[in-house]
Amino acid sequence: ETGVTQTPRHLVMGMTNKKSLKCEQHLGHNAMYWYKQSAKKPLELMFVYSLEERVENNSVPSRFSPECPNSSHLFLHLHTLQPEDSALYLCASSQFVQGVGEQFFGPGTRLTVL
Amino acid sequence: SQQGEEDPQALSIQEGENATMNCSYKTSINNLQWYRQNSGRGLVHLILIRSNEREKHSGRLRVTLDTSKKSSSLLITASRAADTASYFCATASNDYKLSFGAGTTVTVRA
Repeated sequence: ETGVTQTPRHLVMGMTNKKSLKCEQHLGHNAMYWYKQSAKKPLELMFVYSLEERVENNSVPSRFSPECPNSSHLFLHLHTLQPEDSALYLCASSQFVQGVGEQFFGPGTRLTVL
Repeated sequence: SQQGEEDPQALSIQEGENATMNCSYKTSINNLQWYRQNSGRGLVHLILIRSNEREKHSGRLRVTLDTSKKSSSLLITASRAADTASYFCATASNDYKLSFGAGTTVTVRA
């Protein structure tokens, strides 16, 4: 888990709160990803950043706002979430060279929206 | 959108037995990857097989790829209790996306 770290590991928030998830990678990779994992559903790709530029936004509601200030850090800012947004949020990084290679995942943030 | 689909959804085996799971996908790929996830944790990369490869081994893992049938299989030999986890296949094309299936839940009984 030391390659990709995520904080916090658990988060409980009300629908009117604003919070942020943080991801840090120590692997020198050039691409970072946010995924949402809900029970009994495949991983859903939310955002992709390559060299700090967003290259993919998978029709994610605007209440999720990503930020990538540098190639090692990725944030997911949350505001006015809904109970159905409760899920495990996973960050990953990889070295993108003519296609996606091995992705390294963080341990995830378990989010509960009340 | 979901690209890979694993089969079966769940598998229960005795320690020491082999476990086989399959993955089918719809469009052309650059590579196919298998990941393991222990309950509520992050995914761990197991093996990557490129579209021009047919078989790959890593320890007790054997992966095959048949691009004509758009399918792959993951074999875990001599299973152990620690192999209990969910296993996901993921397909990569030439963009930034890695498309995951819904996974196979493997339970290894002692």
